[in-house]
Amino acid sequence: GDQVEQSPSALSLHEGTGSALRCNFTTTMRAVQWFRKNSRGSLINLFYLASGTKENGRLKSAFDSKERYSTLHIRDAQLEDSGTYFCAAETGGYKVVFGSGTRLLVSP
Amino acid sequence: NAGVIQTPRHKVTGKGQEATLWCEPISGHSAVFWYRQTIVQGLEFLTYFRNQAPIDDSGMPKERFSAQMPNQSHSTLKIQSTQPQDSAVYLCASSLRGLQDTQYFGPGTRLLVL
Repeated sequence: GDQVEQSPSALSLHEGTGSALRCNFTTTMRAVQWFRKNSRGSLINLFYLASGTKENGRLKSAFDSKERYSTLHIRDAQLEDSGTYFCAAETGGYKVVFGSGTRLLVSP
Repeated sequence: NAGVIQTPRHKVTGKGQEATLWCEPISGHSAVFWYRQTIVQGLEFLTYFRNQAPIDDSGMPKERFSAQMPNQSHSTLKIQSTQPQDSAVYLCASSLRGLQDTQYFGPGTRLLVL
């Protein structure tokens, strides 16, 4: 079935550094969305992409439907960036498949 | 399996009127999610229920929006005093257990506030 493989499952960063999260898809996806779940359990919408790249502050996301992947880059990480990040991919029709999440911890 | 059912499919309201949207989840699914979809923002999470209990409503606008799940077979999203900026496609989804299970979406209700 349609699957989303998200990596890494956990990531530790020092303040000011950066890294990338990645989601690989087993099939062609129509769009991808990235969320962050903060410590209170709220889902924060970060990016929605049907193609190409988007950037917002210290975050940048890319989606390549043909190559079946999406990335979320974080630069100059801050303590408040800590949380769990999910990608969610839209297949054809009315189906959204979530990745398993990346637990990010930013430390001083 | 009829999938997730949403009614109405289209709704047009005048500014200031109330709109109630209905969702019937897939039988046996314990989690129901509400999203709002616009071209600019994509999917915006609004709220979700598990076993009829509200789990997370952090995406709901604090005023005018409310959601309920009175029984396991349907949920409602109510918007009071609708405004033009409420115009969007409102999507309901259900999953077997919760957030990290595959969510199956209904066809959506397209709300237009004039």
